[in-house]
Amino acid sequence: DTGVSQDPRHKITKRGQNVTFRCDPISEHNRLYWYRQTLGQGPEFLTYFQNEAQLEKSRLLSDRFSAERPKGSFSTLEIQRTEQGDSAMYLCASSSWTGVGYTFGSGTRLTVV
Amino acid sequence: AQSVAQPEDQVNVAEGNPLTVKCTYSVSGNPYLFWYVQYPNRGLQFLLKYITGDNLVKGSYGFEAEFNKSQTSFHLKKPSALVSDSALYFCAVRDNLSGGGADGLTFGKGTHLIIQP
Repeated sequence: DTGVSQDPRHKITKRGQNVTFRCDPISEHNRLYWYRQTLGQGPEFLTYFQNEAQLEKSRLLSDRFSAERPKGSFSTLEIQRTEQGDSAMYLCASSSWTGVGYTFGSGTRLTVV
Repeated sequence: AQSVAQPEDQVNVAEGNPLTVKCTYSVSGNPYLFWYVQYPNRGLQFLLKYITGDNLVKGSYGFEAEFNKSQTSFHLKKPSALVSDSALYFCAVRDNLSGGGADGLTFGKGTHLIIQP
């Protein structure tokens, strides 16, 4: 197991387009988290899953954002009708059921032009 | 609500000298505390965590942190800095209570650590 994988590493899109990111967690981890990090800031919590259930969503997760984890393994984060303010690094993390040992992926850097 | 403060945007230390990166926190229950390091255009790498037990926690690359409940602090330390320690450091906290958003980590804004040769 090579840790948490995120794809793509970089994405440049035009304003108004939809984008989808993928995260593959550590296989034995049943919790999966999405964070967003903008320049000069720490990561901000977006949402998390325990197995396939989405248990918590931040107020940062507007209606244009949707996350899924259909089989309790990989997860996708979709942003519809992207805006320039969506430009950020999107980080995925996974942990065991205790939620106290997070492993982060390398992130997907989104640039909306 | 939980929060983290890293009061210094940047810390400059000469190589070989001890370093300290400050962090204070606020949670409703008991804290789980973490330090992560981030290199340019990379994700976060775990350094160490405090869950319970000894207040002095030892982590990766020679780093350690001291949990001080009365001062609600969790400062990161290293006895002798290396140039390769130069990076962006984040302190994070979560409440030990589950649910209500507490399962997500709350991060500070980060501290740039610059080690001068």
